[in-house]
Amino acid sequence: NAGVTQTPKFRILKIGQSMTLQCTQDMNHNYMYWYRQDPGMGLKLIYYSVGAGITDKGEVPNGYNVSRSTTEDFPLRLELAAPSQTSVYFCASSYRRDRGSDTQYFGPGTRLTVL
Amino acid sequence: GIQVEQSPPDLILQEGANSTLRCNFSDSVNNLQWFHQNPWGQLINLFYIPSGTKQNGRLSATTVATERYSLLYISSSQTTDSGVYFCAVHMNSGGYQKVTFGTGTKLQVIP
Repeated sequence: NAGVTQTPKFRILKIGQSMTLQCTQDMNHNYMYWYRQDPGMGLKLIYYSVGAGITDKGEVPNGYNVSRSTTEDFPLRLELAAPSQTSVYFCASSYRRDRGSDTQYFGPGTRLTVL
Repeated sequence: GIQVEQSPPDLILQEGANSTLRCNFSDSVNNLQWFHQNPWGQLINLFYIPSGTKQNGRLSATTVATERYSLLYISSSQTTDSGVYFCAVHMNSGGYQKVTFGTGTKLQVIP
């Protein structure tokens, strides 16, 4: 298994540009998540999904959109990039148990700079 | 929302020393995880521990769910233990699972 893969690894955007961060997992996990990590800080949840066709907002969803058309893929879309979106973005997945979720597995991250 | 606090925020250890990291949370949770973020930024699962005690080599963790805290023990620390340690709690929110991370403990192990 490749686990959780993310592309690209690095990206520089100009203010107002748009882009999609790709995330794929091959573990047949129900749950998928997008986090951002600002320098020296912990992770904050942007969006999450409990299965194909179902998504919900996390703590910091403004400026982002997601979709979950398949179990494997959970892309994150930035429509109008702003300098405040400069961060490292992590995708994660986990299996849903009856009374909660299982261990989270993280991708390697995408480092995004908006100038 | 739930508050997750970790202490200490920063820790410097001499190689070979032992340490205890703490994670306090403000509400009942379904699950709790400990992660290590290495200097290259990769997040690595250490423990999935909603309650009780688990050990893996020089690391062990204890969660006391009724008192809303978890502890991560590092024994005989090595320079490769350096990095940031996060705890993350899982809880039901509107029928779904949400995960909230603490602010982390930055550990530096010096030779």
